[in-house]
Amino acid sequence: KAGVTQTPRYLIKTRGQQVTLSCSPISGHRSVSWYQQTPGQGLQFLFEYFSETQRNKGNFPGRFSGRQFSNSRSEMNVSTLELGDSALYLCASIGTNRDGYTFGSGTRLTVV
Amino acid sequence: AQSVTQLDSQVPVFEEAPVELRCNYSSSVSVYLFWYVQYPNQGLQLLLKYLSGSTLVKGINGFEAEFNKSQTSFHLRKPSVHISDTAEYFCAVMRGNAGGTSYGKLTFGQGTILTVHP
Repeated sequence: KAGVTQTPRYLIKTRGQQVTLSCSPISGHRSVSWYQQTPGQGLQFLFEYFSETQRNKGNFPGRFSGRQFSNSRSEMNVSTLELGDSALYLCASIGTNRDGYTFGSGTRLTVV
Repeated sequence: AQSVTQLDSQVPVFEEAPVELRCNYSSSVSVYLFWYVQYPNQGLQLLLKYLSGSTLVKGINGFEAEFNKSQTSFHLRKPSVHISDTAEYFCAVMRGNAGGTSYGKLTFGQGTILTVHP
């Protein structure tokens, strides 16, 4: 079956702009999580959605937001971009705890 | 809260040699444990997981890991590595019982870069 699909793969944005990243989970998976990966901070949890509801949120400013649609697809939005937002953003979906999360290939965001 | 410490940031090894990547965790509740691998410019791929039961877990690509509750460790091992194993490896934990329908979050270690030399 198809894996987790993230679009776009690469993005270059200017400081102050906003960006929206998209994630399509594995078919049948209702839980989607987002992570930010940077060389300095490593992998950090952003938020988790289940059935269109945000279940958990990491320690990120309010500029980072997300949502999940009825078909389980998810988007995350970052407003007023800062240079420090440059990172690989990873989306993951899960069927049950026992499966473990399956990750997408990520979106590489560069803020200039 | 959970935390994960990967004891080695870089591990160089020669091809066909054995390797161990070390992971310790801290948690006040039961946890599930995972090892992921990340190749350059790619996402994370699940290598193996420990949920319960046998403490020796076998995964893909010949990797295995042993859960040691008393030492709160989950070290990853491979008896003979290949050039293609060169990648970054992440140990992660998740609460063993997230409750309700929430599956919780993964807490990752800082990663270990495994470099296999010919």
